[in-house]
Amino acid sequence: GAVVSQHPSWVICKSGTSVKIECRSLDFQATTMFWYRQFPKQSLMLMATSNEGSKATYEQGVEKDKFLINHASLTLSTLTVTSAHPEDSSFYICSAPVPANYGYTFGSGTRLTVV
Amino acid sequence: GENVEQHPSTLSVQEGDSAVIKCTYSDSASNYFPWYKQELGKRPQLIIDIRSNVGEKKDQRIAVTLNKTAKHFSLHITETQPEDSAVYFCAASRGKVNNDMRFGAGTRLTVKP
Repeated sequence: GAVVSQHPSWVICKSGTSVKIECRSLDFQATTMFWYRQFPKQSLMLMATSNEGSKATYEQGVEKDKFLINHASLTLSTLTVTSAHPEDSSFYICSAPVPANYGYTFGSGTRLTVV
Repeated sequence: GENVEQHPSTLSVQEGDSAVIKCTYSDSASNYFPWYKQELGKRPQLIIDIRSNVGEKKDQRIAVTLNKTAKHFSLHITETQPEDSAVYFCAASRGKVNNDMRFGAGTRLTVKP
């Protein structure tokens, strides 16, 4: 139980285009979704927190106009990287708290390469 | 906000030896401390976790200790095997539904056969 499905698993896009990443909770309601970014050989850095029905909260240094987050339903949160540049190439992964549990469940991650 | 520091960044041990990874945290309200193992390009896999109401937890070859007063916790792997080689991350959270989880910088463990 408590599965988060993340798509796509990898994407290559041209510089200047936008990419949407989806995280869907399959068997529970995710009122909150955390979005992380991981550069090669580095840790998972929290980018933002999305809450269903309200605006996302962004960490310091993360541009909210560049990384658009939408959490329109209790089962779907999306991250859109707008006007992507090569420096946005990274591994993006979502995570949701598991209800009635202290744990968290992760999506499978999205490898974004901007060329 | 929470700040988690993890040491060492790399650790190399001989097969059969023990490995210890240490983390400290800054937020005294944190009460949930998981450890993750991550293979390259994959999602983190929970290997063990501990809540603040206990000081130690063990699962076969893996154990975690927590010192709330000192705000540090450690991962202990005994009888290491080559398949234990991976990157390990500690994390800390307040444990409530809307509270995020912060990760340490990671430790690359290499177990030499």
